[in-house]
Amino acid sequence: DGGITQSPKYLFRKEGQNVTLSCEQNLNHDAMYWYRQDPGQGLRLIYYSQIVNDFQKGDIAEGYSVSREKKESFPLTVTSAQKNPTAFYLCASSMQGMANEKLFFGSGTQLSVL
Amino acid sequence: GEDVEQSLFLSVREGDSSVINCTYTDSSSTYLYWYKQEPGAGLQLLTYIFSNMDMKQDQRLTVLLNKKDKHLSLRIADTQTGDSAIYFCAEIPNAGGTSYGKLTFGQGTILTVHP
Repeated sequence: DGGITQSPKYLFRKEGQNVTLSCEQNLNHDAMYWYRQDPGQGLRLIYYSQIVNDFQKGDIAEGYSVSREKKESFPLTVTSAQKNPTAFYLCASSMQGMANEKLFFGSGTQLSVL
Repeated sequence: GEDVEQSLFLSVREGDSSVINCTYTDSSSTYLYWYKQEPGAGLQLLTYIFSNMDMKQDQRLTVLLNKKDKHLSLRIADTQTGDSAIYFCAEIPNAGGTSYGKLTFGQGTILTVHP
């Protein structure tokens, strides 16, 4: 089945630690996105990538980093510089990143701070 | 700037219609979306409407768009307990420019359906 796989489902971070969230898609989509979801708030865009080896900052990129070495993979690292990392993180993809395309979402990773 | 607003809660009885409302500020928005999120899951696209349309119907779902008031609504007919979820309104700001697939989301409306 085609889709987006995020792992792990739950992740715990110790203070000062970097953690990496995985996102893999087998939809052959060019564009991939990371969103952060906090309770009672909409999704906010962290980073997006329209093509391999290229990515752009979204609205809340500070404290996060990404890479896009392969078309199917777009891992997100939450660095120690992100002081409030507890949130639900959603990865998404779309065919080419154009305005009229549907976004397909993974099932999310819940990150909590120990 | 872009802003999308929704009411946070809606409670209905099973079998009734649900109407979820959304307002947006970006007059250049060309696509407006409704997504559904079940607990602990990702978002599922329910339907979308292009800004030159007033209404779109898809089975139990009806989307109404009032461009003058920048108001979007989602009506779910014959609401079932399985419809209980968070519903997000989203827009593509400045579509055709540099925003590509970047959506601006509302806060989400928690729909609770009582038997």
